[in-house]
Amino acid sequence: GNSVTQMEGPVTLSEEAFLTINCTYTATGYPSLFWYVQYPGEGLQLLLKATKADDKGSNKGFEATYRKETTSFHLEKGSVQVSDSAVYFCALRWGNSNSGYALNFGKGTSLLVTP
Amino acid sequence: DSGVTQTPKHLITATGQRVTLRCSPRSGDLSVYWYQQSLDQGLQFLIQYYNGEERAKGNILERFSAQQFPDLHSELNLSSLELGDSALYFCASSPRPGLLNNEQFFGPGTRLTVL
Repeated sequence: GNSVTQMEGPVTLSEEAFLTINCTYTATGYPSLFWYVQYPGEGLQLLLKATKADDKGSNKGFEATYRKETTSFHLEKGSVQVSDSAVYFCALRWGNSNSGYALNFGKGTSLLVTP
Repeated sequence: DSGVTQTPKHLITATGQRVTLRCSPRSGDLSVYWYQQSLDQGLQFLIQYYNGEERAKGNILERFSAQQFPDLHSELNLSSLELGDSALYFCASSPRPGLLNNEQFFGPGTRLTVL
């Protein structure tokens, strides 16, 4: 089936540290891949996405590259800020235009950035 | 603000009861999705509607049902509630299937507590 596995948290980093959150997927075909972020007490926000192999999604200093050969979509940021503290979810989209689409999410990785 | 609205924000009820959660999609979006976020199961896709019709189904219990109305708002009905149904229920919306950039935008969620 279509599933996503991401590293367990919590991850605690100091401000300006480098961030990597690992995400690997299992899927039939080549699904679109996403990273969503959930700030405390809020809903999910789309952070970035990639729709095909070798695509790089980027937003707010975060990046992730769709790697078909390693079935991975790791999230990276060169210098994290306290305001990046949140839960990050890796997701893949499955389905088609006839049956409809849905997102399968990983378990989420909690990130805490300390000053 | 994603443009997706959900009511109520919080709901506290007792086991065996029935509740209805409501979602209004972003203006112009035709698809609505329901997700459940719980501590033990994580974020799970429940069901999708497109222009009033059910399109994709995930791990939705038989005690749960949903519908999408002609004005495109959607309701998720949860009946014979159990303690384990306590969770955050998210609604998301997207434009019609088949579009290349068919992103899902999430509402703020309804927190259901079953006592």
